[in-house]
Amino acid sequence: EPEVTQTPSHQVTQMGQEVILRCVPISNHLYFYWYRQILGQKVEFLVSFYNNEISEKSEIFDDQFSVERPDGSNFTLKIRSTKLEDSAMYFCASSESGTRPPLHFGNGTRLTVT
Amino acid sequence: GDSVTQMEGPVTLSEEAFLTINCTYTATGYPSLFWYVQYPGEGLQLLLKATKADDKGSNKGFEATYRKETTSFHLEKGSVQVSDSAVYFCALINQAGTALIFGKGTTLSVSS
Repeated sequence: EPEVTQTPSHQVTQMGQEVILRCVPISNHLYFYWYRQILGQKVEFLVSFYNNEISEKSEIFDDQFSVERPDGSNFTLKIRSTKLEDSAMYFCASSESGTRPPLHFGNGTRLTVT
Repeated sequence: GDSVTQMEGPVTLSEEAFLTINCTYTATGYPSLFWYVQYPGEGLQLLLKATKADDKGSNKGFEATYRKETTSFHLEKGSVQVSDSAVYFCALINQAGTALIFGKGTTLSVSS
């Protein structure tokens, strides 16, 4: 069964550094998402992306965050200047049928900001 | 705003025990409801869903019934297995239909 793949599985970075989290969605999917889960907290919606633009974003997704689909297969989340509170598990998801679940999730990237 | 509340974990059970994980929600209207599961080292997987009141979602022996009177969607399984050990997330789709809203997750640990 097709999968959403995320790399790396664990990223450690220093505060203030830029990080790029990478995702390869399922190939025929058109809608892409990022979610995050701070340890012990809820899984939170960050952003959705369709037709090469952001379709919705949450309050968490401020100017420090950006998303991009640089080619036909990758979907990236960039954090420009990481803060300690950005430490979390970041999940990428994709969906074939637009806004309706089920979304297919990747295994996540654990980001640790020191 | 819309929200989901799950019972705190961890839940520790012996094999073949009965499982209930409580989930209640607050939302405008009648959103679709979901249970996702995350096995160790893996991503979130849809376990089951219900799209309207009194619907029962079921999969792999798990069941949950959409109760609008109590705004609940409790997950149940009659006889758990060690392989059911995972984190379980209750979720709903927001009113705009654009994002899932998750609970905090409940860790289930089943021992033989």
